[in-house]
Amino acid sequence: AQSVAQPEDQVNVAEGNPLTVKCTYSVSGNPYLFWYVQYPNRGLQFLLKYITGDNLVKGSYGFEAEFNKSQTSFHLKKPSALVSDSALYFCAVRDMERSDMRFGAGTRLTVKP
Amino acid sequence: DADVTQTPRNRITKTGKRIMLECSQTKGHDRMYWYRQDPGLGLRLIYYSFDVKDINKGEISDGYSVSRQAQAKFSLSLESAIPNQTALYFCATSDVTGGDIYNEQFFGPGTRLTVL
Repeated sequence: AQSVAQPEDQVNVAEGNPLTVKCTYSVSGNPYLFWYVQYPNRGLQFLLKYITGDNLVKGSYGFEAEFNKSQTSFHLKKPSALVSDSALYFCAVRDMERSDMRFGAGTRLTVKP
Repeated sequence: DADVTQTPRNRITKTGKRIMLECSQTKGHDRMYWYRQDPGLGLRLIYYSFDVKDINKGEISDGYSVSRQAQAKFSLSLESAIPNQTALYFCATSDVTGGDIYNEQFFGPGTRLTVL
């Protein structure tokens, strides 16, 4: 069965520093991986996805993610964090055998001035 | 996302009451989903619909039912609400162009449901 894990409940970084939000996955076939962000009192917003091709995927708001097949990881990164990046981040996975998208438990990112 | 709307935004109800949450979309997508969000658990799929005639159970469908009234409307019902159904509920849509499995989902703003 497909699943995704976000090992950190909370990530704290200082504004201007690089940030990483971790995600590992488990699927039986090729993974299709997604990152979403949730701001307070809002629904989830799509950031980026990996389907195939280049392992480094660029998305919205300066975020990028690196797909690593050997480590079954898809970590979200940003070179320089902003206070406005503070939010709840979700990693999600799909595979060819299932129609649903499985979400991680979420990681709360706090960027301090 | 303003293209996916949910009503009501907040609802407080009592144990045993029947309640309906509604979702409408103007994105023209065929596929619609209902999730619930609980702290520390992420989002879990309740039901999904590939089109008006296709309804499927998700990971946690017990205690819930759905109705797809039209391409644009997908309702979630709690037949007899219980306190552990207190959660944040999200509706989402996705496009099938290019293959649904590759496409991101678009979420509504959520309905916060409290069952006393």
